[in-house]
Amino acid sequence: DIQMTQSPSSLSASVGDRVTITCQASQDISNYLNWYQQKPGKAPKLLIYDASNLETGVPSRFSGSGSGTDFTFTISSLQPEDIATYYCQQYDNLPPTFGQGTKLEIK
Amino acid sequence: QLQLQESGPGLVKPSETLSLTCTVSGGSISSSSYYWGWIRQPPGKGLEWIGSIYYSGSTYYNPSLKSRVTISVDTSKNQFSLKLSSVTAADTAVYYCARLVVTTPDYWGQGTLVTVSS
Repeated sequence: DIQMTQSPSSLSASVGDRVTITCQASQDISNYLNWYQQKPGKAPKLLIYDASNLETGVPSRFSGSGSGTDFTFTISSLQPEDIATYYCQQYDNLPPTFGQGTKLEIK
Repeated sequence: QLQLQESGPGLVKPSETLSLTCTVSGGSISSSSYYWGWIRQPPGKGLEWIGSIYYSGSTYYNPSLKSRVTISVDTSKNQFSLKLSSVTAADTAVYYCARLVVTTPDYWGQGTLVTVSS
């Protein structure tokens, strides 16, 4: 299985801050990477697909980049409603695998 | 608006079989554009892919669970189901059903907690 490693595991930031999360794959996955947001007690929500494409209806402050093994997820200006855990997921190889998550908190 | 809803027992005894059903509304499970899948999340932990099914009945199972998993589809009821046999406490998790664009879950059910305990 492809291992997905996210960093940091947790992050505290202030409203308005630029926030960056990284995801590293154990092998080349091209751009076959998604990013999800999961709020407590809720199902994950797809934000970014194919590494950099914004899902319909997702605010433009969210963005993704990268290819190969190294990927970045960015929130350009943190809002209070962005408090959640964020996961990356590769779908280049079966089984699809997820990162361990990054818990984002407000400072 | 597409909606998915998991249903099934919230408590299963060790060594027994976990059975869940996902009912799809607001769209057809027979659409050729989508697969349908199950993903689980142990309490406080990350996400694990269980498996997926196409409306034709073609399936994919995560090799780590393959010997215990069966996913089936009932197009007449717009439902698909998960069976996981010989469960242990390690199978305690929130189980999500999802619509898949191949291997990207784009719509999720709300999830259902299944606890394995005697």
